Amino acid sequence: SAVISQKPSRDICQRGTSLTIQCQVDSQVTMMFWYRQQPGQSLTLIATANQGSEATYESGFVIDKFPISRPNLTFSTLTVSNMSPEDSSIYLCSVTTGRDEQFFGPGTRLTVL
Amino acid sequence: RKEVEQDPGPFNVPEGATVAFNCTYSNSASQSFFWYRQDCRKEPKLLMSVYSSGNEDGRFTAQLNRASQYISLLIRDSKLSDSATYLCAVNKGGYQKVTFGTGTKLQVIP
Repeated sequence: SAVISQKPSRDICQRGTSLTIQCQVDSQVTMMFWYRQQPGQSLTLIATANQGSEATYESGFVIDKFPISRPNLTFSTLTVSNMSPEDSSIYLCSVTTGRDEQFFGPGTRLTVL
Repeated sequence: RKEVEQDPGPFNVPEGATVAFNCTYSNSASQSFFWYRQDCRKEPKLLMSVYSSGNEDGRFTAQLNRASQYISLLIRDSKLSDSATYLCAVNKGGYQKVTFGTGTKLQVIP
């Protein structure tokens, strides 16, 4: 398994501002992902964070709104830009191990006013 | 058709009951299968991997049916603490992204 930490654990932000979420893993991993989960809803994959290259975004998500960095095999950031109340959600990073098992960080609970 | 489909429930069962969930997947090339548990306001946690030969861990049994393209999770002797949302997940293998179902909510009642 992998131990994943995220910072911040929660935040309340004003609309129009940006928030950067950090994800740190205790071991080197090949695959890192960013998800969003709105209350009572299922997980929605935002993007795959690729080390050394641009992230791969899912349909409906764009780099200008959700820029992602992955400077090494243990760390990634997701920025939620120009926030609106619709961005209020839990943001989760996750990693995949060599056995294809996926593990999640504890999440960042974002509220946009 | 969604890649991974689950009955959202909720399944309300009495303590001690046996409950089973199914999850269907559309991609016949899928290689890896998992069940996750998600408690309210928490992140999903891996419950068990599902192997071709099935997998049992205490009160939990997972099965894979490749011919009909579904996986199942059986919980015996349900406990109050089993109340959660159970997500199935499917992967094509080889560092591909995992596709999650929308989850099945289980409520075990006293």
